[in-house]
Amino acid sequence: GAGVSQTPSNKVTEKGKYVELRCDPISGHTALYWYRQSLGQGPEFLIYFQGTGAADDSGLPNDRFFAVRPEGSVSTLKIQRTERGDSAVYLCASAQDPSSTEAFFGQGTRLTVV
Amino acid sequence: DAKTTQPPSMDCAEGRAANLPCNHSTISGNEYVYWYRQIHSQGPQYIIHGLKNNETNEMASLIITEDRKSSTLILPHATLRDTAVYYCIVRVASNAAGNKLTFGGGTRVLVKP
Repeated sequence: GAGVSQTPSNKVTEKGKYVELRCDPISGHTALYWYRQSLGQGPEFLIYFQGTGAADDSGLPNDRFFAVRPEGSVSTLKIQRTERGDSAVYLCASAQDPSSTEAFFGQGTRLTVV
Repeated sequence: DAKTTQPPSMDCAEGRAANLPCNHSTISGNEYVYWYRQIHSQGPQYIIHGLKNNETNEMASLIITEDRKSSTLILPHATLRDTAVYYCIVRVASNAAGNKLTFGGGTRVLVKP
């Protein structure tokens, strides 16, 4: 596809369960970002990948959150022992390189922890 | 990155110009002003950015004051599809920072017929 693809679009899980959220960036984009957006607020930065490595993970709220990008393209955000407070829309964005002026966002995954 | 201040909401009449203000009084010399918008149930979308000169593209115009402490995004002829939350963001453009964006609350713009 032409844009950033995120799957699933919606995920409902029980408190304490493990979830994985997937992001397919635009082909050729080396920079990839994860954000989290709670209802009524702006997106909040979580982690930034340049290629396969996490260049900045300062936004991850705690050690229950982890993200990988093993081949420098697809990324997976992993959340262990989910809590109700983790409920939010998780957005992924990609950019051609770190100095690019524009980041392209996917439509997000809406995570609901019940 | 410097903090920005925007009005929480504003209405605009369809076909008229929408002028969205943003204050960034602590902006540094190497920080750019970026605007993104987020239509309901979609991810944010890049609109425009600038350093100190006014900028125009097919979507909007960006006017930055001479002291760079504030800016205005202008949508010249607002349509109903421009209803969205508009975010003004200040960031340093460097490889180390990447495209990390610090979003505030934005301005919720409602374009009315």
